[in-house]
Amino acid sequence: EAQVTQNPRYLITVTGKKLTVTCSQNMNHEYMSWYRQDPGLGLRQIYYSMNVEVTDKGDVPEGYKVSRKEKRNFPLILESPSPNQTSLYFCASRGLAGRSYEQYFGPGTRLTVT
Amino acid sequence: GIQVEQSPPDLILQEGANSTLRCNFSDSVNNLQWFHQNPWGQLINLFYIPSGTKQNGRLSATTVATERYSLLYISSSQTTDSGVYFCAVASKLIFGTGTRLQVFP
Repeated sequence: EAQVTQNPRYLITVTGKKLTVTCSQNMNHEYMSWYRQDPGLGLRQIYYSMNVEVTDKGDVPEGYKVSRKEKRNFPLILESPSPNQTSLYFCASRGLAGRSYEQYFGPGTRLTVT
Repeated sequence: GIQVEQSPPDLILQEGANSTLRCNFSDSVNNLQWFHQNPWGQLINLFYIPSGTKQNGRLSATTVATERYSLLYISSSQTTDSGVYFCAVASKLIFGTGTRLQVFP
């Protein structure tokens, strides 16, 4: 089954404790991205990657890191989480332009930072 | 940047009713998608529709790219249709603020 998976689905952590949210897709997609969703602010892009070893900032990259060492994986790293990073996070993927821009989303990771 | 507006912001229906959700965008786009966010927070792909019309069961969508809007039609609504409907445009996906739909039995 074609899908985007994220882990963990739920996470409660404390300020300053480094964490990683994993994202994996099995559709051989080149493009992957991370979004966060906040009440009143909607969904905003954090980082994206056009291919292996190619990453770039989205609209709200502060406080986050990403890496793309393999095509299927795109982890989101919070090196020193703060309460304002409490949010619902989504990973997404799609193929390259010329085929389709349709993006597929993972199930979401609900993060609480206390 | 591109602005995406959705209307209405809230919609309350009785089961069996039909509805139309609208998405306006401020510039030409090469991508438009409709999503349903269910009560558990998951984003479900409904349509990838940069132009034209598509149908999937009780749902259909039309995008008129030259006039910069898209419509999502829900016919014979069911309680399971409840949730928030988003449209999103452009290759990086700029989301609208959503339409919250509640369907009561």
